[in-house]
Amino acid sequence: GAVVSQHPSWVICKSGTSVKIECRSLDFQATTMFWYRQFPKQSLMLMATSNEGSKATYEQGVEKDKFLINHASLTLSTLTVTSAHPEDSSFYICSARRSGLYNEQFFGPGTRLTVL
Amino acid sequence: AQTVTQSQPEMSVQEAETVTLSCTYDTSENNYYLFWYKQPPSRQMILVIRQEAYKQQNATENRFSVNFQKAAKSFSLKISDSQLGDTAMYFCAFLGSGGNTPLVFGKGTRLSVIA
Repeated sequence: GAVVSQHPSWVICKSGTSVKIECRSLDFQATTMFWYRQFPKQSLMLMATSNEGSKATYEQGVEKDKFLINHASLTLSTLTVTSAHPEDSSFYICSARRSGLYNEQFFGPGTRLTVL
Repeated sequence: AQTVTQSQPEMSVQEAETVTLSCTYDTSENNYYLFWYKQPPSRQMILVIRQEAYKQQNATENRFSVNFQKAAKSFSLKISDSQLGDTAMYFCAFLGSGGNTPLVFGKGTRLSVIA
């Protein structure tokens, strides 16, 4: 089956520091990856869509300078939360779409970020 | 823009009983896909079932089945013989045509299966 991993699964950092979250498709190539944010008891909120080798497309209201997304290869995308603040504390989920099969999307296990 | 509406924020069902979760959507497209995802307390998103809009036959996966009414833009999920492990958030999702089109999620329904 198609597996998507995320690292770290949880992270605690101090306000003002930057945190990088990695998303990897382990057994398939993903030309498109998505980053979501989820608050407790709420739905997934799409932050950005990233395609391998090109700049990410951010959703309205998402600060591209704060949430840096890099999709350097067909199996790896990273989300860097820069100068993190307590309001950035949330659950971040990545998702990868298998190349050639746009209707199949697989989700990582998520990363819980807590900013003190 | 497409929208997905789940009108039941919370539901509960007795173990072994049947429950139906509702979902409606709005789109002007003719070709699309619909999904139900389950998010248990671990928060891992798990695909439950998928329906292609061009297929008239309702999708079925073991105890899970859908009632897809294309004209009414309705896509409900029926869980038969409910089990304690079915306790989770359930999200209905829409996927339009196009390679980079993102999934559009509903707000979710929290299902509790009671012993």
